[in-house]
Amino acid sequence: DTEVTQTPKHLVMGMTNKKSLKCEQHMGHRAMYWYKQKAKKPPELMFVYSYEKLSINESVPSRFSPECPNSSLLNLHLHALQPEDSALYLCASSQARGNEQFFGPGTRLTVL
Amino acid sequence: GEDVEQSLFLSVREGDSSVINCTYTDSSSTYLYWYKQEPGAGLQLLTYIFSNMDMKQDQRLTVLLNKKDKHLSLRIADTQTGDSAIYFCAESTMIYNQGGKLIFGQGTELSVKP
Repeated sequence: DTEVTQTPKHLVMGMTNKKSLKCEQHMGHRAMYWYKQKAKKPPELMFVYSYEKLSINESVPSRFSPECPNSSLLNLHLHALQPEDSALYLCASSQARGNEQFFGPGTRLTVL
Repeated sequence: GEDVEQSLFLSVREGDSSVINCTYTDSSSTYLYWYKQEPGAGLQLLTYIFSNMDMKQDQRLTVLLNKKDKHLSLRIADTQTGDSAIYFCAESTMIYNQGGKLIFGQGTELSVKP
């Protein structure tokens, strides 16, 4: 299994809502990532988890809260988002040494 | 700081070869990657090259690395309409057992005309 799955595919939320994005992999990877991608732009790293511990936070606002409940799952909890947070949110995983990151299909988020 | 640059657009005819170029600044990068992104989809890892290699070939794909000039290229032989997509070059900084940080170029939009 060389797949990273993400749910939901699409999400529309209001600025007062609380929602979560989910990511799963079964490749035995011990590093997992969240990226944000705006249209026609490259992905921007948000968070890195290694061995279920947060290893990199790229100064992301606290309205985004990551969680890694086990080595296969990664969540991104969303609260009080702004319209400018609308984007494609991509999850990726890799071996702990960080090479060859495999990406999921993404969640298209729209904040109204 | 790290920076990766690519030209934004490339248009080719079906059956021709495509060459997408990339320059990077971080000489300590261990791996350099090419990702493909089709509209509305995630990123697909196409190929990568280790920094001590000059060339890597994988079916229709050839990666050339000039480490002295910090220049990376991706050649797609016999380009097909299904190759139309955005291609991202990326360099990585790996932090021991803490995952890796990918720095992406702006992406090259490849358009293949029949």
